[in-house]
Amino acid sequence: DAKTTQPTSMDCAEGRAANLPCNHSTISGNEYVYWYRQIHSQGPQYIIHGLKNNETNEMASLIITEDRKSSTLILPHATLRDTAVYYCTLIIQGAQKLVFGQGTRLTINP
Amino acid sequence: DAGVIQSPRHEVTEMGQEVTLRCKPISGHNSLFWYRQTMMRGLELLIYFNNNVPIDDSGMPEDRFSAKMPNASFSTLKIQPSEPRDSAVYFCASSRVAGVEYEQYFGPGTRLTVT
Repeated sequence: DAKTTQPTSMDCAEGRAANLPCNHSTISGNEYVYWYRQIHSQGPQYIIHGLKNNETNEMASLIITEDRKSSTLILPHATLRDTAVYYCTLIIQGAQKLVFGQGTRLTINP
Repeated sequence: DAGVIQSPRHEVTEMGQEVTLRCKPISGHNSLFWYRQTMMRGLELLIYFNNNVPIDDSGMPEDRFSAKMPNASFSTLKIQPSEPRDSAVYFCASSRVAGVEYEQYFGPGTRLTVT
């Protein structure tokens, strides 16, 4: 019953921008889009989240379409250390349960 | 700052034995989560606590699993008796609930192998 769909895998060259898409066509008005990543053998790591406005922090940028049915996580200058599985998930405002799908396995190539 | 601390990092035990996993959340965080990750099922939420009180344990697989949080700085996940299908990586996470948006911070996980 995943509410988000992501490509299974993606490749990106080191130093280039990595753009990871996420489709969430049934998103509700009070659901936030959250992104986490999991580097091999480590626990998941929070990246960024947003409701409807684009967001940027020291790790990444999040672009949410105007109709909120999809979003893109952007790693502006990917490094080898960004190789990981990236999870896009929705959380109702005020809720705490994270539901992880299969994510996108991003490989950064030298 | 110390992150979420889990122990042990690796546990190998025989079927039928009791297993106890431990977690120390980040100081000041008032929510704690237990997850399990396997290749087949991915990352699943087992149970979470707010202010040391269990809020949702619907993800706990069966009565063999139990979790406690006796105080704000410690939680345990116990499996008794353990079975080979319990082999997985168990993650603990914590967050600070204040407002309506909050991220979870995950520990390094405990890799459990039940033979």
